[in-house]
Formats: sequence, structure tokens, C-alpha cells
Amino acid sequence: QVQLVESGGGVVQPGRSLRLSCAASGFTFNSYAMHWVRQAPGKGLEWVAVISYDGNNKDYADSVKGRFTISRDNSMDTLYLQMNSLRTEDTALYYCARCRIAATAYGDFDIWGQGTLVTVSS
Amino acid sequence: EIVMTQSPATLSVSPGERATLSCRASQSVSSKLAWYQQKPGQAPRLLIYGASTRATGSPASFSGSGFGTEFTLTISSLQSEDFAVYYCQQYNNWPITFGQGTRLEIK
Repeated sequence: QVQLVESGGGVVQPGRSLRLSCAASGFTFNSYAMHWVRQAPGKGLEWVAVISYDGNNKDYADSVKGRFTISRDNSMDTLYLQMNSLRTEDTALYYCARCRIAATAYGDFDIWGQGTLVTVSS
Repeated sequence: EIVMTQSPATLSVSPGERATLSCRASQSVSSKLAWYQQKPGQAPRLLIYGASTRATGSPASFSGSGFGTEFTLTISSLQSEDFAVYYCQQYNNWPITFGQGTRLEIK
């Protein structure tokens, strides 16, 4: 079935780095733009980053620009989020999500993973 | 950045009754508006896209309306499984933004 499974979360000190992964299955991964969305504990949803279906176009929320890098490996059906210079305010559950309309980055998200928790604390 | 404002923050409704949730955009998003349902411990689930189109698997009791800056999600007859948090999202302009959510609770 169509599925996204995140991994790589954990507890990290401020200023350190972490890389999240999102493994896709059940659909043609290289046809869809992919996003990262995060949710701080007890809070709402915040869009983080997007990558086009072919990996050639990327965009970021201002809150993570210059610190986070989104990438993908279409041969492995996997999405990544490299997070550097982590701050306490980056503590959140990180979801990967598929853009519903193939080959467009603008859109709603029809498939979500279960999330991976990142805790930034000294 | 487009700010999405949802109201009310919490809505208390009895099972079987109708619930109406609102979402306002700080500038026009045309019909590029989606609604999501999130239950505790679960990922968000797409309910409505294009302001009024039900997503695959979304119950017929859910309907969306609106255009521009004012949007509404209506649940015609509340079932126990409908009590959750609901978010609106605009995707007309970068960055994509979400509302702060409306918590729908049992009265």
C-alpha cells in the first residue's frame, strides 16, 4: 500500500546535526514533489521544506533556511532532511508528506508518514 | 506570508449535530485551500482540497466551501470519530501556511 515511513529522529544538543529519512513505497516516488512538515509538542502544523519530483527545485521556510537541506534519492525512493545548527525551537515531530498532484510542488498533501520526533536539548 | 486564522479555537458540539468551522486568509488564496483532520497520536489526514472537493475516502458528511479569503468546513452530523483537531492550509502562495487549528470536542 501507499506508505511513507520516517526515521532518524532522536535527542540532540543545540548546535549539533541530525539527518532524517523518509522511505516511500506503493507509488511512483519520482513523479511527486515531497514536503517536510513539523509539529512542535502540543502545537499546530508548520511547513518546513519542499523538493520537486526530480530534485532540481527546493524551497524552505524562513525559520530553517540556511540550516536545513532537503534532498531525495529517486533510485532508493527516499527523501531526506539534513538539519544543521539545531536550536531548541526545532524540537518537533517531523512528518514527510506527498504532494497530491504529481509533478507539482504547489498543493495539498494526501499521504503523510507517522512522523519522527526530534528533541533538541542540552 | 499569508496568515491563516481559524475560528473558533475550540468548538463543543453534541453527537448528531452539525459543526461549522471557519478559516480566514489574510489575503486571497483563490480556491487553493485544504482541510485536514488530526486525531491524537496520528498524522494529519486530508479531507478537502480545492476548497470544496472531498479527498479520496473522506466521508460525505464533510463539505467545504468558500473562495478568496473566507472558507468553511461543515460536518453535517457528528459521529464519535469526528472529534479531533482540524487544520486549514493554503497553497496558493509560498510559503505554504496552516491555520492554528480548531479543536472539535464532545459537548
